[in-house]
Amino acid sequence: QEQLVESGGGVVQPGRSLRLSCTASEFSFSSYAMHWVRQAPGRGLEWLALIWYDGTKRHYADSVRGRFTISRDNSKNTLFLQMNTLRVEDTAVYYCVREVGSKGFDFWGQGTLVTVSS
Amino acid sequence: DIRVTQSPSTLSASIGDRVTITCRASQRISSWLAWYQQKPGKAPKLLVYQTSSLEAGVPSRFSGSGSGTEFTLTISSLQPDDFATYYCQLYDSFSTWTFGPGTQVEIK
Repeated sequence: QEQLVESGGGVVQPGRSLRLSCTASEFSFSSYAMHWVRQAPGRGLEWLALIWYDGTKRHYADSVRGRFTISRDNSKNTLFLQMNTLRVEDTAVYYCVREVGSKGFDFWGQGTLVTVSS
Repeated sequence: DIRVTQSPSTLSASIGDRVTITCRASQRISSWLAWYQQKPGKAPKLLVYQTSSLEAGVPSRFSGSGSGTEFTLTISSLQPDDFATYYCQLYDSFSTWTFGPGTQVEIK
C-alpha cells in the first residue's frame, strides 16, 4: 500500500531551524513531482513548495521563498523541507504530497506538526 | 498572483440536499482546477481534477464544472459522510499552486 510518512516535526523556538522528512513507499517515488503543503491550526491549506521528479526544478510560495528549501533523495525515496529562521506564524501541520501532473495532489501524508514558540 | 475565493464559507444543509460550492479566480485560468475534501484531523482527499473529472473511488454524487474564472463543486444528494471542509485548488503558469479558503459543510 502506498505510503508517505512525514517526520521531524516538533516544538522549536523562533529564529531556529528544523528539517522535515517524508519517506515514500510502495510507489515509484522518483517518477513524481512532490510538494509540501501546510495548514495552520484552524486555518486553510497553504501550498509551500514543489520539486520536480528529478530534483532539477523547484518552486516556492512567496511566504517561504528564501527561508525554506525543498529537496529530495530519490535513492532513499525521501523528500525534505529545510526550514530556517522559523516564525511563530509557521506553526502548522506540514503535509508531504504527491503530484500527478494531470490530476493534482492525489496522495497525501498524514502530516507532521511544527510548533514555533518561545 | 491569482487570488481565489470560495463561497459560501460555511454551508448548513440536510441529508439529501443538493449542495453547490463556488470557486472564483481573480483572472481567467485554464481547466486546471481541483477540489479536495478534508475531515477534521485528516489529510485532504482529491475529489475532482481538471474541473470535472472524478477521482477514482469518489461517489458519483460529486461533480465539478465551470470555466474561465468561475467553477463549482456540486453534491447532488448530501450524505452523512459528506460533512467536511471542501477546498478548490488552481495552478497558474508560474508553477505555483493556490488553494481557496475552504467551505465548511455542516449539518443543518
